[in-house]
Amino acid sequence: GDSVTQMEGPVTLSEEAFLTINCTYTATGYPSLFWYVQYPGEGLQLLLKATKADDKGSNKGFEATYRKETTSFHLEKGSVQVSDSAVYFCALRSWMDSSYKLIFGSGTRLLVRP
Amino acid sequence: GAVVSQHPSRVICKSGTSVKIECRSLDFQATTMFWYRQFPKQSLMLMATSNEGSKATYEQGVEKDKFLINHASLTLSTLTVTSAHPEDSSFYICSARANTEAFFGQGTRLTVV
Repeated sequence: GDSVTQMEGPVTLSEEAFLTINCTYTATGYPSLFWYVQYPGEGLQLLLKATKADDKGSNKGFEATYRKETTSFHLEKGSVQVSDSAVYFCALRSWMDSSYKLIFGSGTRLLVRP
Repeated sequence: GAVVSQHPSRVICKSGTSVKIECRSLDFQATTMFWYRQFPKQSLMLMATSNEGSKATYEQGVEKDKFLINHASLTLSTLTVTSAHPEDSSFYICSARANTEAFFGQGTRLTVV
């Protein structure tokens, strides 16, 4: 079945460092891909998404490009801030699934130090 | 974006009692809602898909008689954990579909003592 694999955390960075969180997926057809962020004690917020190959999703300085050839959707940010500390989830939605349910990766905790 | 409100945010209950969690879409109608469970430091596991006016579809391994889901209106879905036990302690999150996106509630931390 469809699945998402994320790099294990935690990832600890200093403020203004470059961030990469790897995400690869296994799916049939052409899934839509998402990054969600979860701040402590809260639900998930959509960070960005891409619905077809070579699309780049971006928001709040974060970017991710849908790479079908490598089945990847890595999250990047050029300069992280302390406020970016959170758990980040990569997710996919199957193009065949009319219910729009999401399949999540295991999540990567990011800790940014001042 | 669309707002999904989940209540309560935290609940502590005694073993053997039942707990109801509400999920409301505040500014849109949601024909489909999803219930997830999150264990500490782990990902979200889909429990069930709830469609307004029909029975919920449960994922494999989820006990439908223990986790009762009702989606009585286009803006409200409820999850009732029946005869709760300590192993049911977890973080429960609902999600509502709006067009092609899913919006999440704030989550409910359930502790069964």
